[in-house]
Amino acid sequence: EVQLVESGGGLVQPGGSLKLSCAASGFTFSRHSMSWVRQAPGKGLEWVAVIIPDGTQEFYVDSVKGRFTISRDNAKTSLYLQMNSLRVEDSAVYYCAKDWIGESIPLFDYWGQGAPVTVSS
Amino acid sequence: DIQVTQSPSSLSASVGDRVTITCRASQGIVHYLVWFQQKPGKVPNLLIYGASTLQPGAPSRFSGSGSGTDFTLTISSLQPEDVATYYCLSYYGGPRAFGQGTRVDIK
Repeated sequence: EVQLVESGGGLVQPGGSLKLSCAASGFTFSRHSMSWVRQAPGKGLEWVAVIIPDGTQEFYVDSVKGRFTISRDNAKTSLYLQMNSLRVEDSAVYYCAKDWIGESIPLFDYWGQGAPVTVSS
Repeated sequence: DIQVTQSPSSLSASVGDRVTITCRASQGIVHYLVWFQQKPGKVPNLLIYGASTLQPGAPSRFSGSGSGTDFTLTISSLQPEDVATYYCLSYYGGPRAFGQGTRVDIK
């Protein structure tokens, strides 16, 4: 059974840092790209970042470039999101999601339960 | 980066109606588009990937079509359990991009 379990969310002051983790199991983690997606209260889904299977390439939404870093540890089947210089507008539930592995194979078919992040003074 | 424009932002239809939601990408994305359904308080549920492939377990009344820049999600006969917000997501190249979402209600 595929499982994605996020941890590390919480309350942080503006300008602060937080690191989210996502523990993956039930699939071949090292072969999948992995994404972080966020959703602010009452708002739509926003894709945040993706990392390719070997961890050598990452992409980010413009609003987090230079502040957030996505990483992974394939030996620990874990995904991370280091969030620095946090802003009030970064407040959201952050989800990790199973992303691309290849053509004609479902992606974003499994999501974690979400880690709430609140940026407030 | 690619932007995705989804329309309408909301719609209200009767049970049994055919419902259509569209997404337009700012550049060609071949068939690299997925559709999700999200109900309040729940994580998104994958309906369609590769623009037109129905995810196993998704009801057959859902279908996806399109390629290049223009894509459509169709619900052939709206059911009460389809009340939800629907999103498209482009996964062409590196960055992904969601559409703004479409809230579907029963009239």
